[in-house]
Amino acid sequence: EAQVTQNPRYLITVTGKKLTVTCSQNMNHEYMSWYRQDPGLGLRQIYYSMNVEVTDKGDVPEGYKVSRKEKRNFPLILESPSPNQTSLYFCASRAGAETYGQYFGPGTRLTVT
Amino acid sequence: AQKITQTQPGMFVQEKEAVTLDCTYDTSDPSYGLFWYKQPSSGEMIFLIYQGSYDQQNATEGRYSLNFQKARKSANLVISASQLGDSAMYFCAMRRTHSINQFYFGTGTSLTVIP
Repeated sequence: EAQVTQNPRYLITVTGKKLTVTCSQNMNHEYMSWYRQDPGLGLRQIYYSMNVEVTDKGDVPEGYKVSRKEKRNFPLILESPSPNQTSLYFCASRAGAETYGQYFGPGTRLTVT
Repeated sequence: AQKITQTQPGMFVQEKEAVTLDCTYDTSDPSYGLFWYKQPSSGEMIFLIYQGSYDQQNATEGRYSLNFQKARKSANLVISASQLGDSAMYFCAMRRTHSINQFYFGTGTSLTVIP
């Protein structure tokens, strides 16, 4: 089954404690992205990747890091989480053609206290 | 700056009626792509329909159609014959063609289908 998986699905952590949210896709997609969803703000792109070792900043990259060492994986790293990073996070992937929509993961609900 | 505007925070429609969800966009790019996604209460994001800026015809996918008016920079989603399962949040999004994986989303419209 074609899918994007994220782990963990739910996470409560404390300010400053480094964490990683994993994302993996099984569709051999070149393009992957991370988004955060906040009430009233829709989805905002954090980082995106066009292929292995090729990443770029989206609209809200501050406080986040990513890496793309393998085509299937695109982890999101919060080195020192803060309460304003409490949000719902989505990973997404898509194939190369312009007309293709994104496949989204199930989301990770992160709470930073 | 690129921007997507969805001015209807919430909409109601009677079952079996058609409904239009508004989306306007702002870009100076000559080429771009427009997308609509559905987010049911379960939380997943589902791709519905795509419209390219150079497409001459409006996109259609089953009961979904995109009313694309390039001069007005609008890309409204039309859902025909609404069903109870259409109750969800709907997001309009734009992709810049020259930055092929950079996307901008609107704030969404919550659609409720009334039996």
